[in-house]
Amino acid sequence: ETGVTQSPTHLIKTRGQQVTLRCSSQSGHNTVSWYQQALGQGPQFIFQYYREEENGRGNFPPRFSGLQFPNYSSELNVNALELDDSALYLCASSSRDRWETQYFGPGTRLLVL
Amino acid sequence: AQSVTQLDSQVPVFEEAPVELRCNYSSSVSVYLFWYVQYPNQGLQLLLKYLSGSTLVESINGFEAEFNKSQTSFHLRKPSVHISDTAEYFCAVSDVSNDYKLSFGAGTTVTVRA
Repeated sequence: ETGVTQSPTHLIKTRGQQVTLRCSSQSGHNTVSWYQQALGQGPQFIFQYYREEENGRGNFPPRFSGLQFPNYSSELNVNALELDDSALYLCASSSRDRWETQYFGPGTRLLVL
Repeated sequence: AQSVTQLDSQVPVFEEAPVELRCNYSSSVSVYLFWYVQYPNQGLQLLLKYLSGSTLVESINGFEAEFNKSQTSFHLRKPSVHISDTAEYFCAVSDVSNDYKLSFGAGTTVTVRA
């Protein structure tokens, strides 16, 4: 059984650019959630995808968008990057009937200059 | 909306000593409660959870937490820590009607010294 994987591990972008982060769910999981963890803070919920549809969203602007693919892998896209977008982005997968057990990936650390 | 307050940002502790990490939450509805651990340069790992039933929950590595509804708390304890328990610990809450969204506290860094 493979765990949750994320790519890339680190990324440096400049303000105004766009970025795509990727996540592969744990085997058998059909639900993916994305979180942003700024330095020294707890993770903040961005959104969740279930069966390729957005299933809930936190307090993030529309320039944060996502996709879920038929194999349940997922992408997080951020347009018009701002300095405050610098953070660790975490992906978590779960099965819909065992949602309370979310398995987190190691994260992608994004630095916006 | 829920919010989570972790009352201590840093907790230094000696090996084999007990530790308690405090967590309080605010919510107008019934909640599920979680503790996650994050080791350096790693993602979050679920340590333990309270969904219903017994208010005292335990993890496989000796941690326990007690749900106290009247005090809206979910403090984490371990009677004897190891060097390997050095990590950041996050308390999280999810309301019963909005089960997909976890709200996290700011974290408590535990540093275990020999």
